[in-house]
Amino acid sequence: QQPVQSPQAVILREGEDAVINCSSSKALYSVHWYRQKHGEAPVFLMILLKGGEQKGHDKISASFNEKKQQSSLYLTASQLSYSGTYFCGTYMNTGNQFYFGTGTSLTVIP
Amino acid sequence: DTGVSQNPRHKITKRGQNVTFRCDPISEHNRLYWYRQTLGQGPEFLTYFQNEAQLEKSRLLSDRFSAERPKGSFSTLEIQRTEQGDSAMYLCASSLNRVLQETQYFGPGTRLLVL
Repeated sequence: QQPVQSPQAVILREGEDAVINCSSSKALYSVHWYRQKHGEAPVFLMILLKGGEQKGHDKISASFNEKKQQSSLYLTASQLSYSGTYFCGTYMNTGNQFYFGTGTSLTVIP
Repeated sequence: DTGVSQNPRHKITKRGQNVTFRCDPISEHNRLYWYRQTLGQGPEFLTYFQNEAQLEKSRLLSDRFSAERPKGSFSTLEIQRTEQGDSAMYLCASSLNRVLQETQYFGPGTRLLVL
């Protein structure tokens, strides 16, 4: 039931781009993206609700495919502050339990 | 500060003792969630409240765990007879109930260490 993310970990140099994928075997009602820095709480990034939706702010954007089984998070021209673990998450069809994905550790180095 | 707050931030206890954590959500939020997170893993859902009603509990929530939200505002999570496997970060989140658009805002967490 837990969404699966890939890659598990990625190391980038400042200014490089990254894509993080989140996949589910079943269609999702919505997908949420969070970033968590070490020792801190997850921080909400964005939510996608509709198949085919794309949205973003600044240099972080995301897409949700038409079948609503895959979402991708795009980080462009990465900055040191982008380092952290990124989680996708979704409510299951009961609308009550929230499942986080397996997580992707992103490290940006100078 | 009008964010989600949690107390204490850290707790060290001996195996077999009881512990209680508190979460104060964002004031207008009617939904409150508890999660547990162990090192290197994502948060795992434990339970959630809508107002004062506890509407769902994960199978992870054994009978040693109990949560309350007596007046639909703050919530407490109690762990009785703690075990070393209970060592984790306990996260609280709150949200405003909008169908399919609930964004959860997380507190800083309570880190529990059971010796």
